[in-house]
Amino acid sequence: KAGVTQTPRYLIKTRGQQVTLSCSPISGHRSVSWYQQTPGQGLQFLFEYFSETQRNKGNFPGRFSGRQFSNSRSEMNVSTLELGDSALYLCASSLGVGRALNEQFFGPGTRLTVL
Amino acid sequence: ILNVEQSPQSLHVQEGDSTNFTCSFPSSNFYALHWYRWETAKSPEALFVMTLNGDEKKKGRISATLNTKEGYSYLYIKGSQPEDSATYLCAFLPGYSTLTFGKGTMLLVSP
Repeated sequence: KAGVTQTPRYLIKTRGQQVTLSCSPISGHRSVSWYQQTPGQGLQFLFEYFSETQRNKGNFPGRFSGRQFSNSRSEMNVSTLELGDSALYLCASSLGVGRALNEQFFGPGTRLTVL
Repeated sequence: ILNVEQSPQSLHVQEGDSTNFTCSFPSSNFYALHWYRWETAKSPEALFVMTLNGDEKKKGRISATLNTKEGYSYLYIKGSQPEDSATYLCAFLPGYSTLTFGKGTMLLVSP
């Protein structure tokens, strides 16, 4: 069974640009969550999608947005990039969501550097 | 904002030592507590998902306990090996929202 894949793996952008990251969950998983990890911080929750609907959203500015497609693949977009957006962005898939959330399976992450 | 605390922040032990770390979480609205292991240059991997007060789970030399009434979970590693070196994350799942992760405990096991 193929694992969670994320593209691209590495990205360098400059301030003010926008970026789109992609995540393909494990086949059959309908829930995708996105996290940001920066040095000294834990995994900060960004969004959770289930069946194309955003179920939960973390405490991030509106520059961060996401969506999920009918095949459960998900994208997140960050507009008007700031230096502080430099981070590892992880996506995770699971079978369920909310009280049905079981273990999450994480992708390798996208390392975003904003110059 | 939910508060999930892990201690210690980091730990350095010798091969063969047994060790344990703590995850503290809100004692109200508990639904589940997850433990993940995150090795350098890899993705986080689930160790345990715990739902019942008093639950005890074991995987090889690693075990975890859960106290939902007082809001803590312990992770134990018996006879640490260098391959146990990783960051161990806990995550709290309340009944009304999604996972909130702690900042992790970084474990280094020297041969």
